[in-house]
Amino acid sequence: EAGVTQSPTHLIKTRGQQATLRCSPISGHTSVYWYQQALGLGLQFLLWYDEGEERNRGNFPPRFSGRQFPNYSSELNVNALELEDSALYLCASSLISRDNEQFFGPGTRLTVL
Amino acid sequence: GDSVTQMEGPVTLSEEACLTINCTYTATGYPSLFWYVQYPGEGLQLLLKATKADDKGSNKGFEATYRKETTSFHLEKGSVQVSDSAVYFCAPSSRGGTASKLTFGTGTRLQVTL
Repeated sequence: EAGVTQSPTHLIKTRGQQATLRCSPISGHTSVYWYQQALGLGLQFLLWYDEGEERNRGNFPPRFSGRQFPNYSSELNVNALELEDSALYLCASSLISRDNEQFFGPGTRLTVL
Repeated sequence: GDSVTQMEGPVTLSEEACLTINCTYTATGYPSLFWYVQYPGEGLQLLLKATKADDKGSNKGFEATYRKETTSFHLEKGSVQVSDSAVYFCAPSSRGGTASKLTFGTGTRLQVTL
C-alpha cells in the first residue's frame, strides 16, 4: 500500500512569491493535515481538511491557505512568502476515528531567499 | 488549548544504555497519545500509541504507559542502539469534532554513540 506522498521534495522561492505544495493521502483516507516544521520550533498545526472541507486551522495568517480535491489529495498555498516561512512542510492523512492516528509523508522543504 | 512538554534535548547515550524521555501534556477530554519518531532527513513515523488510561503502547523495544492521573506518557527503552538516533515527538490527539488534531512539542533529539 502506497504511503502519503508529497511534491515537490524541495522548493526554492524568493520573498513575495507564492508557493504551492501538494499531498496525496493514503488510499481510503479522507482527512489531510498540514504541519509546519521550522528549525527549532517543533511541528505547528496548519490546516485540516476532511471530505473537501476545511475543518480546523492553526494560528497562521490567511496567506496560508489550501484546498482538498474530490480525490482527497490536497494543496497548500503560501502567498507573499516571507523569509520565516522557510521550513519543512509535512502532510499527514488519516481515517476519521476515535484515536486520530495520522500517517505522515516525507515533507516538502521550502526555502525562501 | 492542548500542549505538550518534553524534556529538552539533545540526549546523548552510549549504546545499550537505558532511555527515558519524559512527556507531560494538557488536553481536553481523554486524548489518545502518540509517540512519533523522525529519523534524519525523513518524515515522521508512528512509533507507538495508547488510546485510554493505563494502556501500554510498545514497538521496537520502546514502551510508554498512558498515565491519566499524572497526564504523562514517558517513553522508555531498556537498551538503545545507534540506529535509534532520531528526534522523538510526543503528541496527544484531541478527539473528534473540529478540534481533531495532533499537538506536538519541540521534540527530543536522541544521539546514541558506540
